[in-house]
Amino acid sequence: GAVVSQHPSRVICKSGTSVKIECRSLDFQATTMFWYRQFPKQSLMLMATSNEGSKATYEQGVEKDKFLINHASLTLSTLTVTSAHPEDSSFYICSASRDFYNEQFFGPGTRLTVL
Amino acid sequence: KNEVEQSPQNLTAQEGEFITINCSYSVGISALHWLQQHPGGGIVSLFMLSSGKKKHGRLIATINIQEKHSSLHITASHPRDSAVYICAVFLNTGNQFYFGTGTSLTVIP
Repeated sequence: GAVVSQHPSRVICKSGTSVKIECRSLDFQATTMFWYRQFPKQSLMLMATSNEGSKATYEQGVEKDKFLINHASLTLSTLTVTSAHPEDSSFYICSASRDFYNEQFFGPGTRLTVL
Repeated sequence: KNEVEQSPQNLTAQEGEFITINCSYSVGISALHWLQQHPGGGIVSLFMLSSGKKKHGRLIATINIQEKHSSLHITASHPRDSAVYICAVFLNTGNQFYFGTGTSLTVIP
């Protein structure tokens, strides 16, 4: 099956710092990667969709200058939370797909805590 | 109004019971995705289907496009099936999809 990794799995940082989360598809080429956020006891919320080599498409209400997404290769996408604040504390999950309409394979998630 | 409604929201079952989780949607779709999220947060893709029925082990997913409804069945349920089950629909009008709020399943030994 397709494997997607995320790193780090857990990060604690001080308010005002930036945090980078990596999402890698290990055994397939992912044209499309998705970034989600999930608050406790809530469903997944799509933040943005990225296609390799082009700018990410952000969902309404998601600040593109705060959540920087780079999908530089067919196996790697990164999400950088810039100037993180406590309200950014959440569970961030990525998924990868061969293309938008194909099955998504999910990473294990990154739990971000901003103090 | 949610484009995707799941029922029940919470479900507790005895080990061995047959379980059904429902997903209804109000939009035209090209495909529907069933996901399983374990207590630790990890998400596993169970099925992606656009018509008919798919089976994998003890899991069966069906979809009726005309009725805009899908069901996920678990036969001979086991405590390790305890998880949140989420359905997501891909719209047939463009690059967009919607998630249901999930069904939390607890299977008691």
